[in-house]
Amino acid sequence: SYVLTQPPSVSVAPGKTARITCGGNNIGSKSVHWYQQRPGQAPVLVIYHDGDRPSGIPERFSGSNSGNTATLTISRVEAGDEADYFCQVWDSSSDHVVFGGGTKLAVL
Amino acid sequence: QLQLQESGPGLVKPSETLSLTCTVSGGSISSTNYYWGWIRQPPGQGLEWIGSIYYSGTTYFNPSLKSRVTISVDTSNNQFSLKLTSVTAADTAVYYCARLMKFQLGGYVDYWGQGTLVTVSS
Repeated sequence: SYVLTQPPSVSVAPGKTARITCGGNNIGSKSVHWYQQRPGQAPVLVIYHDGDRPSGIPERFSGSNSGNTATLTISRVEAGDEADYFCQVWDSSSDHVVFGGGTKLAVL
Repeated sequence: QLQLQESGPGLVKPSETLSLTCTVSGGSISSTNYYWGWIRQPPGQGLEWIGSIYYSGTTYFNPSLKSRVTISVDTSNNQFSLKLTSVTAADTAVYYCARLMKFQLGGYVDYWGQGTLVTVSS
């Protein structure tokens, strides 16, 4: 089955740029989606179709996807961005949904 | 505004069957282009997709759970349900029901329930 690999943690200072990666075999050929999950809450979609933002998500959140790596970029990081972030793909060959292991973003 | 609400026992004994229902309001479970699914999250761990169902009844399951999982849909009551048999402590998790937007290259979760903690313990 398809595997997505994320770093367990990323640290960034306020006002700087955070980049969270999601690795997978030829992931660039798939559509990647990203979720933010704050403690005790359900996940929230922050990026879909590699780089599109749902309404209400700040422009500071962006995404890219190429080759074997997809990246979620958060610009001008704020304390409120501290959360777990998960990448996700839908393996269309099997109709299976796959999540990455998650990355904890710490704002220093 | 679409809302999903999980319901079911919060405590299940080992070897028994976990049963949850998700009630959908603010939209029809029979809408095309959407799947309905269950996702779980053990305490302190990541998200695990359990399975998905289309309103027609077509189902897809995580291979690691497939032998123990049943997902069904009740379009008349706008609900879908999860049954997980032979549970162990490893099945202790927050269980989320969700709506998945499906498109040609895949899909994503656009609505989540609030989640319900199910503990497996005697």
